[in-house]
Amino acid sequence: DTEVTQTPKHLVMGMTNKKSLKCEQHMGHRAMYWYKQKAKKPPELMFVYSYEKLSINESVPSRFSPECPNSSLLNLHLHALQPEDSALYLCASSQALGSGRLSDTQYFGPGTRLTVL
Amino acid sequence: AQKITQTQPGMFVQEKEAVTLDCTYDTSDPSYGLFWYKQPSSGEMIFLIYQGSYDQQNATEGRYSLNFQKARKSANLVISASQLGDSAMYFCAMRETSQTGANNLFFGTGTRLTVIP
Repeated sequence: DTEVTQTPKHLVMGMTNKKSLKCEQHMGHRAMYWYKQKAKKPPELMFVYSYEKLSINESVPSRFSPECPNSSLLNLHLHALQPEDSALYLCASSQALGSGRLSDTQYFGPGTRLTVL
Repeated sequence: AQKITQTQPGMFVQEKEAVTLDCTYDTSDPSYGLFWYKQPSSGEMIFLIYQGSYDQQNATEGRYSLNFQKARKSANLVISASQLGDSAMYFCAMRETSQTGANNLFFGTGTRLTVIP
């Protein structure tokens, strides 16, 4: 069983809706990540949080707004999305960013399948 | 240039046979880490195995082993005694130490493995 959980599993939203994706990890990790994955493509990094601070934003449009309320929780707030934003959104966590250890492994949650109508 | 290349879009293997999934990488960094992930149709990315560039031995985890050939810059995944549950997409990924303050994983395009009964 994964120790990174994501809710909801599926989400359908209109272009004017506001919704949030939630991620929780129970491994005591201090780095958390959001990825976007289109069908038949590898995951693309969106955001990285380290010790609850945003450390990487891969030029993601402002209609995606991340939030890290504490070291276990990561949210992705969605507003005014476009149909091309439909994808699988994966959350991951690892022990610590900048730990200097190449083996710092990212563990992924089951993902949220988002459809924007 | 692609940092990670997976040249096999799809592979088939008979149940109980072994299969090798290819991965080549491109880096000028002497210190790097290589990861393999499995992604079933459910969507979750499952960590399988890690190999560090300075590791003397090839990594093994249960039925998974990594055929690491540093001079050829290849890190092929070997799955022994294939099971029906091994049918999934497999991603090779790399992290380099030159990524200052980052924990980015560069993913390949993936190989879809189908295990035939």
